[in-house]
Amino acid sequence: NAGVTQTPKFRILKIGQSMTLQCAQDMNHNYMYWYRQDPGMGLKLIYYSVGAGITDKGEVPNGYNVSRSTTEDFPLRLELAAPSQTSVYFCASSPADEQYFGPGTRLTVT
Amino acid sequence: KQEVTQIPAALSVPEGENLVLNCSFTDSAIYNLQWFRQDPGKGLTSLLLIQSSQREQTSGRLNASLDKSSGRSTLYIAASQPGDSATYLCAVCVWLGNEKLTFGTGTRLTIIP
Repeated sequence: NAGVTQTPKFRILKIGQSMTLQCAQDMNHNYMYWYRQDPGMGLKLIYYSVGAGITDKGEVPNGYNVSRSTTEDFPLRLELAAPSQTSVYFCASSPADEQYFGPGTRLTVT
Repeated sequence: KQEVTQIPAALSVPEGENLVLNCSFTDSAIYNLQWFRQDPGKGLTSLLLIQSSQREQTSGRLNASLDKSSGRSTLYIAASQPGDSATYLCAVCVWLGNEKLTFGTGTRLTIIP
């Protein structure tokens, strides 16, 4: 199993641009999550999904959108990128209890 | 609102010593608690998961304990090695139809050879 994969690893965006962070898992997990990690801060939940076709907001959803058309994929969309969205983004999946994380995407908005 | 605190933020110990990392949380109504390891520039690796009904979990040189009533968990690392150097994060889960984790800010551990 590849586990949880994320692309790209790094990205630099200009203010106002948009992009999609990709996340895929091959473990047939129902639950998937997007977090952001800022320096010196704990991870904050952006969006989550309990299964294909079902998504819901986490703690910090503003400026982001998600979709879950398949069990495997959970892309995170940034519209109108802002400097405040500079962060490291982690995707995770879970069968029920334990969460498994991807390697992260480091995003800089300038 | 659940808050998770990890103190100290950084810790350096000589190789071979046993050490304890601390995690405290404000709301004792948790579903489980998970300890993660994060290496610089990498993702999180799950180390141990303790269900709310359990008191401790062990994996190799690692032992995690949970005291819900006092809102505390500890991660004990025996016979520390330089390869244990990393940031250790704890996260508590309140089950609300899915596993919502609240993370601490982590303890950055350095093992001195």
